[in-house]
Amino acid sequence: ETGVTQSPTHLIKTRGQQVTLRCSSQSGHNTVSWYQQALGQGPQFIFQYYREEENGRGNFPPRFSGLQFPNYSSELNVNALELDDSALYLCASSLMPGGEQYFGPGTRLTVT
Amino acid sequence: EDKVVQSPLSLVVHEGDTVTLNCSYEVTNFRSLLWYKQEKKAPTFLFMLTSSGIEKKSGRLSSILDKKELSSILNITATQTGDSAIYLCAVDLGLNYGGSQGNLIFGKGTKLSVKP
Repeated sequence: ETGVTQSPTHLIKTRGQQVTLRCSSQSGHNTVSWYQQALGQGPQFIFQYYREEENGRGNFPPRFSGLQFPNYSSELNVNALELDDSALYLCASSLMPGGEQYFGPGTRLTVT
Repeated sequence: EDKVVQSPLSLVVHEGDTVTLNCSYEVTNFRSLLWYKQEKKAPTFLFMLTSSGIEKKSGRLSSILDKKELSSILNITATQTGDSAIYLCAVDLGLNYGGSQGNLIFGKGTKLSVKP
């Protein structure tokens, strides 16, 4: 059984640029949730995808968008990057919405 | 607004000490409370608590939930340097998934540093 994987591990972007982060869910899981963890904070919910549809969204602006593919992998896109977007981005997959979540290793994004 | 509060935010102890980490919550719907250990990146699962008063144990770690007091504690006995990490508490809102906060609400975490 393959766990949750994320890519890239880390990256550095400039303010105003766009970034795409990727997540492969655990085998058999059809639900992916994305979280932003700023330094010194707990993870904050961005949104969740279930069977390729957005299934809930946290208090993040529209420049945070996502996709889920037929194989249930997912992307998080952030446009017009701001310095405050610097954080660890975690994805978590589950068998179904509301199910136990398994976290990936995260992507460390630094915006300069 | 649903919230989870952890205390202390940071703690420095010496090897062999016993520590107690606290988590309190105010949520609209409660299914379970979870504890995670985060060493570098991915939070790793420690415990899931659903019933009051039933202690869960794993080696030197134990945790208990008090639904009357809306709180939980995580105890670590005979601490080791490998216990140094951020300990996250989260409440699973269960059927409230899809709402504005998702189904997992996290506290800010307690950063534990164990010195040799």
